[in-house]
Amino acid sequence: QSALTQPASVSGSPGQSITISCTGTSSDVGSYNLVSWYQQHPGKAPKLMIYEVSKRPSGVSNRFSGSKSGNTASLTISGLQAEDEADYYCCSYAGSSWVFGGGTKLTVL
Amino acid sequence: QVQLQESGPGLVKPSQTLSLTCTVSGGSISSGSYYWSWIRQPAGKGLEWIGRIYTSGSTNYNPSLKSRVTISVDTSKNQFSLKLSSVTAADTAVYYCARDIVVVVAATPTSHWFDPWGQGTLVTVSS
Repeated sequence: QSALTQPASVSGSPGQSITISCTGTSSDVGSYNLVSWYQQHPGKAPKLMIYEVSKRPSGVSNRFSGSKSGNTASLTISGLQAEDEADYYCCSYAGSSWVFGGGTKLTVL
Repeated sequence: QVQLQESGPGLVKPSQTLSLTCTVSGGSISSGSYYWSWIRQPAGKGLEWIGRIYTSGSTNYNPSLKSRVTISVDTSKNQFSLKLSSVTAADTAVYYCARDIVVVVAATPTSHWFDPWGQGTLVTVSS
């Protein structure tokens, strides 16, 4: 299984919206609505932000939203804030195993 | 509130076996329908799922690591463990343990996420 493909970096100004893509295959992202997203600040453990493509856990801001089309899932962050600056990772079920994306560094300008 | 903490040697010699333990606190490792996973992250790189165990002892492993990985559980100590054999420098990483929550309907997973995660422990493979 290969890692899911994410852009290495994205950036945006405070208040703007950004979208991070996560491209897999018909064996993972395309076959299951089991995509989750994790936020990781430097030196910290990843934090769950989105699960089951578009569901937000309790306590996660509604500025974070997820979607999926075909083999590509997306994470959108609206109303960017300084504290959103972090690395973001997608994860998908791949049939008895799990595969992560390579990560995207979000810079808030 | 469930918390996880990794422990084990921070330095392992090449060709030897890496051994880590994850201690679960704030709840029983046997309660609920949870799996317990190991995930690693080489410095400056992405996350890689290593494998997971159910409290019954049932395991799933990353196909790329399967030949070298063993995950076990000790419910009496509320711990689960990772062994990775024949390590090389490529196995140097921060290793995380995480609760692996999956909802299964008619033998098909319908929901899944990793939460919470331990703080991670750095393991360096070097002579």
